[in-house]
Amino acid sequence: NAGVTQTPKFRVLKTGQSMTLLCAQDMNHEYMYWYRQDPGMGLRLIHYSVGEGTTAKGEVPDGYNVSRLKKQNFLLGLESAAPSQTSVYFCASSPDNRGRTQYFGPGTRLTVL
Amino acid sequence: QQQVKQSPQSLIVQKGGISIINCAYENTAFDYFPWYQQFPGKGPALLIAIRPDVSEKKEGRFTISFNKSAKQFSLHIMDSQPGDSATYFCAASISNYQLIWGAGTKLIIKP
Repeated sequence: NAGVTQTPKFRVLKTGQSMTLLCAQDMNHEYMYWYRQDPGMGLRLIHYSVGEGTTAKGEVPDGYNVSRLKKQNFLLGLESAAPSQTSVYFCASSPDNRGRTQYFGPGTRLTVL
Repeated sequence: QQQVKQSPQSLIVQKGGISIINCAYENTAFDYFPWYQQFPGKGPALLIAIRPDVSEKKEGRFTISFNKSAKQFSLHIMDSQPGDSATYFCAASISNYQLIWGAGTKLIIKP
């Protein structure tokens, strides 16, 4: 099992550009999450999904959109990137409906110039 | 009331010493308290977890101490090793699919 994979690993964008981050999991988990990690800020939840076709907003959803068309994939989109979105993005999945045990991907380091 | 406050922000411990990281919460509805470990360049991974009906849980050199009346819990790393150098996150679970995360502690173990 590959677990949770994320693509790309690194990306540099210019302000106003758009991009999509892909998260894939092969553990058949229902619950998936997108976080951003900034120094001193811990992990902040952007959006999450409780199953195929369903998504919900987390703590910091502004400027991001998500889609979960297939159970194994969770996409995070930035429509018009801003320097404030420079961060490391982590995807996670969980088999339990409380999200207690989360399995994380390796992260995507995004820089917006 | 949904916050989990973690301290210290950073910690330097000599090899062989005891590392202690503390977390405090307000919401008594939290019913599961995990600790995650994150190495540089990697995603966090579950290290150890405790439920509030237990005062202590030990797994190898890692121990969670839980004080329900004080609404505090802590991670103790005994005989700390350079390989333990990582960022540690405490968290708390409530019934809405999410974890509430502490801000993280960067631990450095000096040889």
